[in-house]
Amino acid sequence: DVKVTQSSRYLVKRTGEKVFLECVQDMDHENMFWYRQDPGLGLRLIYFSYDVKMKEKGDIPEGYSVSREKKERFSLILESASTNQTSMYLCASSSWETQYFGPGTRLLVL
Amino acid sequence: QKEVEQNSGPLSVPEGAIASLNCTYSDRGSQSFFWYRQYSGKSPELIMFIYSNGDKEDGRFTAQLNKASQYVSLLIRDSQPSDSATYLCAGGPPMEYGNKLVFGAGTILRVKS
Repeated sequence: DVKVTQSSRYLVKRTGEKVFLECVQDMDHENMFWYRQDPGLGLRLIYFSYDVKMKEKGDIPEGYSVSREKKERFSLILESASTNQTSMYLCASSSWETQYFGPGTRLLVL
Repeated sequence: QKEVEQNSGPLSVPEGAIASLNCTYSDRGSQSFFWYRQYSGKSPELIMFIYSNGDKEDGRFTAQLNKASQYVSLLIRDSQPSDSATYLCAGGPPMEYGNKLVFGAGTILRVKS
């Protein structure tokens, strides 16, 4: 079974803090993704990576950065958290077809 | 702009009935389609995928694809209250580098016992 884990299920941070969300997959997948999901807006792609140290912007990259130093690990960084980044963050990984999701991190920025 | 459209619902069906969920897509280059189920507060889980025109069956689920009409559907037979969830449709070219899928906003399904 594919396993995708995320470092936290719930996080509460203050405006202006630097926030790290980590995702780890155990299936040797090349591709990894970060999404945010908000009511009525569906899943929106923030960044994705198709190889170690490779990354591409998704649809809403502003205010975020990513890091992929090892194949199994993909980190999302909020450089200076803002209240409009309160959301559910979902990580996914895939080989060449199906994306498998982690459990999600619900982030609240106060 | 590649788009996948779904009726947000909620779609309400009685227990034991067939639930029919529909999805249209704008990118004619899309070749692969995926249905995910998402329970409230949980992450999406894959139900099934389809690449070829026609029907694909897996247990109580049947996915249907019509590329000429750019239409994908998911039928759930003998619907159960446990099927109550949001169903996400996603499309993408199978060999695109990185497999970037485009997701619809989802349809809420409610199965009433």
